This record gives sequence, structure tokens and C-alpha cells, in this order.
Amino acid sequence: QVTLRESGPALVKPTQTLTLTCNFSGFSLTTSGMRVNWIRQPPGKALEWLARIDWDDDKFYSTSLKTRLTISKDTSKNQVVLIMTNMDPVDTATYYCVRMGSSEQGLNAFSIWGQGTLVTVSS
Amino acid sequence: DIQMTQSPSSLSASVGDRVTITCRASQSVSNYLNWYQQKPGKAPKLLIYAASSLQSGVPSRFSGGGSGTDFTLTISSLQPEDFASYYCQQSYSAHYTFGQGTKLEIK
Repeated sequence: QVTLRESGPALVKPTQTLTLTCNFSGFSLTTSGMRVNWIRQPPGKALEWLARIDWDDDKFYSTSLKTRLTISKDTSKNQVVLIMTNMDPVDTATYYCVRMGSSEQGLNAFSIWGQGTLVTVSS
Repeated sequence: DIQMTQSPSSLSASVGDRVTITCRASQSVSNYLNWYQQKPGKAPKLLIYAASSLQSGVPSRFSGGGSGTDFTLTISSLQPEDFASYYCQQSYSAHYTFGQGTKLEIK
């Protein structure tokens, strides 16, 4: 059974750096075709894709946020980490860790989601 | 980035109704179009991938269609558990983008 769980601070101050960790089980990010993403959703608003990291360490970032984001993986710990710098109140959102289907199977969709973690940016 | 536009933004319907939600891409995404359902306080759930393929475990009353720039999600006979928000998403470009969502409410 594949599961993903996000963890990180519930509250950060403006200008601070946010570090979120995704702990996953049921698959390995060393397996060809595996991809893990971060997606966020401000309260009452739409979903926004942030970043993706692949089994071969390829990385992709949101065009509008790429200067503030860093995604990385620790395959020995089954973890993916997202760092977002210079946080602002508009970054208040639920942040989801999401696995895509295998690229080798042609499942280019967000198939398995973590429960999400709410991050509030406020002084 | 590819812009995704859904219509309507909200929709009132009754149990048993047939409803259709549309999604338009700002450029062709071929069939790289997915649909998600989200209930309040929950993570989204994948319903349809590659425009028309039903995700495992999703009821057959859900169906997807279209290609290129215009897509539809149809629910053939609304059930009480279908009242939720729905999002389309393109995976043609690795800069993934979502529609703004459609909230389906009980009439």
C-alpha cells in the first residue's frame, strides 16, 4: 500500500524559510518512472502545482515560484523535501505531497495524495 | 504556462441528474488531461486520466471525453456522494496547471 505523509511547521513568519518533508512508503524513488510532486491549495481556492522530483533526480518547478523553491530526495529515508524561501501571507495553504503514476506506464496524473499539511504565514 | 479554464464555476443539480463540466486549455494538450474530485477537508482524488480513462475503483457513472483543447467530465446520474468540487489538470507540459474548479452543489 502506497502512502505519503507531509510534515512541517504549522506556522511560519513572513520572510522565513519553510521546510516541508514528505515521508512515503510502499514504493521507492529509485524505481524507474517514479515521480513525486508538491501541490498546494490556499483556503477556498484552487490547486497549484509547485515542484516535481523524479527517480533519476530530474527536477521541475513552477514557473512563477521557481526562484523560491528547492526540491530534493533522500532515497535511503524514503523522503522528499521541499524548501520555500521568503514566505508571505499569500503562501498560506494546505501543502500536499503527491505521487504521479509511473511515466513508464503512461499514467501522467496525480494518483496518490498525502493528507496535506496546513501552513499559515503570519507574524 | 498552459491555462486551464473550467465552466461553470458552480453548478446546482439534483440526485439523478446528468451533469457535464467543461475544461478548455489555452493550447492543445492532446489527451494529457486529468480530472479530480475533492470533498471538503480532504485531498483530491483522481477520477479520470488521459482524458477518458477511468481510474481504478471510480464508479462508471463518471466519464471523460475530448482531446486537443476541449474536454468534458460527465456524471451520468448524480449520487449524494458526488456533491463536491471538481478540477481538471493538464499533464502535457511538465509545468502542470489546474483549472479553477467547479463546485457541484445540491439543488
